[in-house]
Amino acid sequence: NAGVTQTPKFQVLKTGQSMTLQCAQDMNHEYMSWYRQDPGMGLRLIHYSVGAGITDQGEVPNGYNVSRSTTEDFPLRLLSAAPSQTSVYFCASSYSYQGGTYEQYFGPGTRLTVT
Amino acid sequence: QKEVEQDPGPLSVPEGAIVSLNCTYSNSAFQYFMWYRQYSRKGPELLMYTYSSGNKEDGRFTAQVDKSSKYISLFIRDSQPSDSATYLCGTSNYQLIWGAGTKLIIKP
Repeated sequence: NAGVTQTPKFQVLKTGQSMTLQCAQDMNHEYMSWYRQDPGMGLRLIHYSVGAGITDQGEVPNGYNVSRSTTEDFPLRLLSAAPSQTSVYFCASSYSYQGGTYEQYFGPGTRLTVT
Repeated sequence: QKEVEQDPGPLSVPEGAIVSLNCTYSNSAFQYFMWYRQYSRKGPELLMYTYSSGNKEDGRFTAQVDKSSKYISLFIRDSQPSDSATYLCGTSNYQLIWGAGTKLIIKP
């Protein structure tokens, strides 16, 4: 049971480049989410999904896209990287109770630097 | 005003001390409360969760919720250097709302 896995661990992008951060979970969780964590700002929700084919925006969705074609995978796409997207990105998953989320399990994170 | 307020610290205490970490929240509809621990350069890990008011104990850790004052606390007894980490509080009423995290340093 690997839990929540994320790849890559580290990434450096140039402004304007695009890339996809991968996230997978093997706990059969319906709910999956992406956060970014910046110093002093805690965890901010980017996008989330309550099941395959269903996604929605969080607090800071601009510049990011998601899709969920399977229960296991929830990739995050950066469309045109900007220095403001330099951050640590965490994927998390949980069971979903009536469409909501409670205790979440996190991946190890991806450290992204945009130059 | 943020929905969940948490002092970012750092909080530095000597080994063996009792540590008290706290959060306040604004929405009385919140029912689920969680504490996560995050070591440097790692993902947050679930430490404890409680539902509604009251206390919950797990070894050296005690989580406490006071819904009348909208105050949640985490107590760590006999603190160890390995407890040095950032502690995040979270609450959920459908979506998870996070505090900013408190950095805790336990000095040997």
